[in-house]
Amino acid sequence: DQQVKQNSPSLSVQEGRISILNCDYTNSMFDYFLWYKKYPAEGPTFLISISSIKDKNEDGRFTVFLNKSAKHLSLHIVPSQPGDSAVYFCAGGTDSWGKLQFGAGTQVVVTP
Amino acid sequence: EAQVTQNPRYLITVTGKKLTVTCSQNMNHEYMSWYRQDPGLGLRQIYYSMNVEVTDKGDVPEGYKVSRKEKRNFPLILESPSPNQTSLYFCATRSGRAGYEQFFGPGTRLTVL
Repeated sequence: DQQVKQNSPSLSVQEGRISILNCDYTNSMFDYFLWYKKYPAEGPTFLISISSIKDKNEDGRFTVFLNKSAKHLSLHIVPSQPGDSAVYFCAGGTDSWGKLQFGAGTQVVVTP
Repeated sequence: EAQVTQNPRYLITVTGKKLTVTCSQNMNHEYMSWYRQDPGLGLRQIYYSMNVEVTDKGDVPEGYKVSRKEKRNFPLILESPSPNQTSLYFCATRSGRAGYEQFFGPGTRLTVL
């Protein structure tokens, strides 16, 4: 039973526009959430995190929003750039040692 | 340079032939973990280790073994591989003291015929 779900397997967006990636979770015990980005033939790389006690975290072009009542988080990328084309994974963790539950990923394609 | 290395990067083998995928890190991290990535399922944790000689099962441990005899190494052992273990495998590490971020290796593409 997947505790973290990314229901959109793919997303296409024009360069310069906003990309919004969504993630839903079922485990209300998650203490934190992370977003990872993955290029082909490489390992996932960390993008941004948010603690469950916050509702927003921003880092440059990337902002993550957390709605605990809806068990939903989203990643906003503004403005989208061609180098953002990758698979994005959402993950939730329940303890400080980092046992993570990942979603299935969303393939983002940024078109010129 | 901070690194997580995995070997081999690609492996094709046959059912039942024991194999080991190595993982090594130079960041002195306490925590290490193995994941497998399958289409539509994302990354699923196989085993993790919180420190030397301390290991525990993740979500999909069946058919796998691990050991943590040294801090820097965390090999993944498939005693008798089967075709359903064909997958992309990632090792990851994390400091026990700072942040939530896990650092991933480049991956090992395993095919079991």
